[in-house]
Amino acid sequence: GAVVSQHPSRVICKSGTSVKIECRSLDFQATTMFWYRQFPKQSLMLMATSNEGSKATYEQGVEKDKFLINHASLTLSTLTVTSAHPEDSSFYICSAVRGPVGLYEQFFGPGTRLTVL
Amino acid sequence: GESVGLHLPTLSVQEGDNSIINCAYSNSASDYFIWYKQESGKGPQFIIDIRSNMDKRQGQRVTVLLNKTVKHLSLQIAATQPGDSAVYFCAENSIDTPLVFGKGTRLSVIA
Repeated sequence: GAVVSQHPSRVICKSGTSVKIECRSLDFQATTMFWYRQFPKQSLMLMATSNEGSKATYEQGVEKDKFLINHASLTLSTLTVTSAHPEDSSFYICSAVRGPVGLYEQFFGPGTRLTVL
Repeated sequence: GESVGLHLPTLSVQEGDNSIINCAYSNSASDYFIWYKQESGKGPQFIIDIRSNMDKRQGQRVTVLLNKTVKHLSLQIAATQPGDSAVYFCAENSIDTPLVFGKGTRLSVIA
């Protein structure tokens, strides 16, 4: 199967600090990865599309300077929450698309719980 | 962004009964639909998918029905088990658009 991992699984940080979350495709190469945010009892909201070797595409309302995305290789994308504030506390989930076959086969990571104090 | 509520709709079923979870999708251009299961604190888990050229697809204990005329998707779970308790999301996309998730339904199985 296709496995996607995230690290860390949960993180607690102080307000004003930056937090980096890693998303890795373990057994396949992913030219495209997606980052989602999920607040309690709500659905997954797409934040940005991460393409290997190019700039990420952000959804409307998502601050690109606050949520820095780097897709440096075909198996790794990172999301850095800069100057985190309590309202950034959420469940962050990545997904990876396998192969150059379009956007159909998406595999999700287990998520990262961010708590900003 | 999409509108979301503070409380997920909940479906409660007796163990052993069949469950039907419904979803209305928004984009008539979507041609691929997926159902995901999400347990607390975990990422979405793929259950079953269907393409727009089909109206029914069956898996193990699960069936997805697609009605493109009214843009409606449903997930049927046969002989529901306690392990089926989770939040279920439908999602839609097309070849060049990311997945868009529905609001979700919480399935609660009563033993």
